[in-house]
Amino acid sequence: KAGVTQTPRYLIKTRGQQVTLSCSPISGHRSVSWYQQTPGQGLQFLFEYFSETQRNKGNFPGRFSGRQFSNSRSEMNVSTLELGDSALYLCASSGGDSWNTEAFFGQGTRLTVV
Amino acid sequence: AQSVTQPDIHITVSEGASLELRCNYSYGATPYLFWYVQSPGQGLQLLLKYFSGDTLVQGIKGFEAEFKRSQSSFNLRKPSVHWSDAAEYFCALGSNDYKLSFGAGTTVTVRA
Repeated sequence: KAGVTQTPRYLIKTRGQQVTLSCSPISGHRSVSWYQQTPGQGLQFLFEYFSETQRNKGNFPGRFSGRQFSNSRSEMNVSTLELGDSALYLCASSGGDSWNTEAFFGQGTRLTVV
Repeated sequence: AQSVTQPDIHITVSEGASLELRCNYSYGATPYLFWYVQSPGQGLQLLLKYFSGDTLVQGIKGFEAEFKRSQSSFNLRKPSVHWSDAAEYFCALGSNDYKLSFGAGTTVTVRA
């Protein structure tokens, strides 16, 4: 069974550009969550989708957005990139509707903004 | 609001010695608690989880954790550490609003 796949693994972008990251969950999983990891702020929740509906959003500016497709694949977009957006972006998928199932994480996308 | 605290930023332990990582949480409802491990440049791997029932939970790689409601704690333990256990460990709390709240992490260094 394939795990959570995040593409690309590494990205370098320039300030002001926008970027789209992709996450393919484990087959059959309908919940996808995104997290940002930085040395200063640690792991912070971005948003969670279940069956194409965003159920929760973290405390990030509107430049951060996401969506989920009917096949459960998810994308997140960051517009007008800032240096502070440099981070490891992690995606997690889970099979259930609540926390009685575990979340599996991908290897992440390392975004560097220059 | 929920929160997770890992008091120890860095722990150094000798190979073969025991390891205990501390985790305290704050949450007004029944907590769903997890321990994850992360190697450099990698994603998070789930070590174990607590949802309900037996307060001592067993995980992978020889790890176990004990849930203590009275102390709002969920400490991770391993009786004998291997060099491959050197990594960063995160305690997390799953809340009813579909998100995980993570502690700041504890970096474990294993010395020969």
